[in-house]
Amino acid sequence: NAGVIQTPRHKVTGKGQEATLWCEPISGHSAVFWYRQTIVQGLEFLTYFRNQAPIDDSGMPKERFSAQMPNQSHSTLKIQSTQPQDSAVYLCASSLDLPGTHSGNTLYFGEGSRLIVV
Amino acid sequence: GMPVEQNPPALSLYEGAESGLRCNFSTTMKGVQWFQQNHRGRLITLFYLAQGTKENGRLKSTFNSKERYSTLHIKDAQLEDSGTYFCAVEEGATASSFSKLVFGQGTSLSVVP
Repeated sequence: NAGVIQTPRHKVTGKGQEATLWCEPISGHSAVFWYRQTIVQGLEFLTYFRNQAPIDDSGMPKERFSAQMPNQSHSTLKIQSTQPQDSAVYLCASSLDLPGTHSGNTLYFGEGSRLIVV
Repeated sequence: GMPVEQNPPALSLYEGAESGLRCNFSTTMKGVQWFQQNHRGRLITLFYLAQGTKENGRLKSTFNSKERYSTLHIKDAQLEDSGTYFCAVEEGATASSFSKLVFGQGTSLSVVP
């Protein structure tokens, strides 16, 4: 089991370009989460899916960010017209079902995709 | 202020030493999770607690929802314990439902020989 796989590990993109990040959750996991990590803001929730359906995207910046889960084996996070402030490590995580103390399901993270917008 | 505060921001320990990390929250939380972020950037779940204390090898964590804090204690520190430790709280009061995590800013731990 390779765990949650994220690609690319590193991406440098020019301001105004589009960036797409991929996540392959652990097979059989029904909940998939996206987080963003920066030095200043720390770890911030972006969005999550359950059984491929988008449930909560309250953390997603409104206009340029979108996330999809077209099938149970991968999710994508797309950033249009990238800006320098989008530079961050984007982390994907999955769990068997909704994680936490109420369920006992563990959240497994990928190693992240480091996006640099120049 | 921040909903979740972690202390200290950074910590250096000699191999074999022990220390505690603390996580304070501004409101009542129903659960806490602790993670270690390793050198490759992956967050690894260490504990999740709704109450009381859990222990796993050289690590022990406690959660006191009434006093609004959680601790992570590391004993007999090893070089591989180096990394950044995050606590994350589950907001809300309903124990049986899912809650998104709100992360602290982390404690950077360096274990030196």
